[in-house]
Amino acid sequence: QTVVTQEPSFSVSPGGTVTLTCGLNSGSVSTSDYPSWYQQTPGQAPRTLIYNTNVRSSGVPDRFSGTILGKRAALTITGAQADDESDYYCVLYMTNGFYVFGTGTRVTVL
Amino acid sequence: EVQLVESGGGLVQSGGSLRLSCAASGFIFKNYAMSWVRQAPGKGLEWVSGIGDSGGITFYADSVKGRFTISRDNSGNTLYLQMDSLRADDTAVYYCAKDRRVAPLWYFEVWGRGTLVTVSS
Repeated sequence: QTVVTQEPSFSVSPGGTVTLTCGLNSGSVSTSDYPSWYQQTPGQAPRTLIYNTNVRSSGVPDRFSGTILGKRAALTITGAQADDESDYYCVLYMTNGFYVFGTGTRVTVL
Repeated sequence: EVQLVESGGGLVQSGGSLRLSCAASGFIFKNYAMSWVRQAPGKGLEWVSGIGDSGGITFYADSVKGRFTISRDNSGNTLYLQMDSLRADDTAVYYCAKDRRVAPLWYFEVWGRGTLVTVSS
């Protein structure tokens, strides 16, 4: 069974930088897994942030960036703001047509 | 403006059935794949099912395979999810999403606001 793991939580100061990561239990994450990232505040629908590893979705501020760090996909928030306090999910595409969501990371800005 | 509006959620007994709908507007529906994603109360997101642009190819997570059926009506710009043999662990908010299911994209571009399905045991 494919499991995609993320850190459970992070805390960041306003104006600070935080990097969230996304890993595979079966090995490394690469650009061929087409990692994407989504932001969700409680009670709201997810919002698309990043796709194809590092492409920002329309309207997403450039303080959000994506990359591959070692064996994991990564989402970096640079210059965190209060309204960045949310849950963040990565998604990996499996070559059999399936998607797998990560376990999610809760980011607190304080 | 691209919009996805889900409907059809509600309270159903274990073993029962429910059909969800997702009305799409603001884009050429027949040209895009679509997916359903769910979120159990207090839990993370889970991809449930996807369908190609013509409806000719479908995909299901193991957790729903054999119980759920995804379909679409391209003339009516509507996506469906028929849910049978419902179980308590199917209780969740169900989101429909515009699925950019093509290389090098493979992501969910637009999301609906969701509809809540509650299965009572």
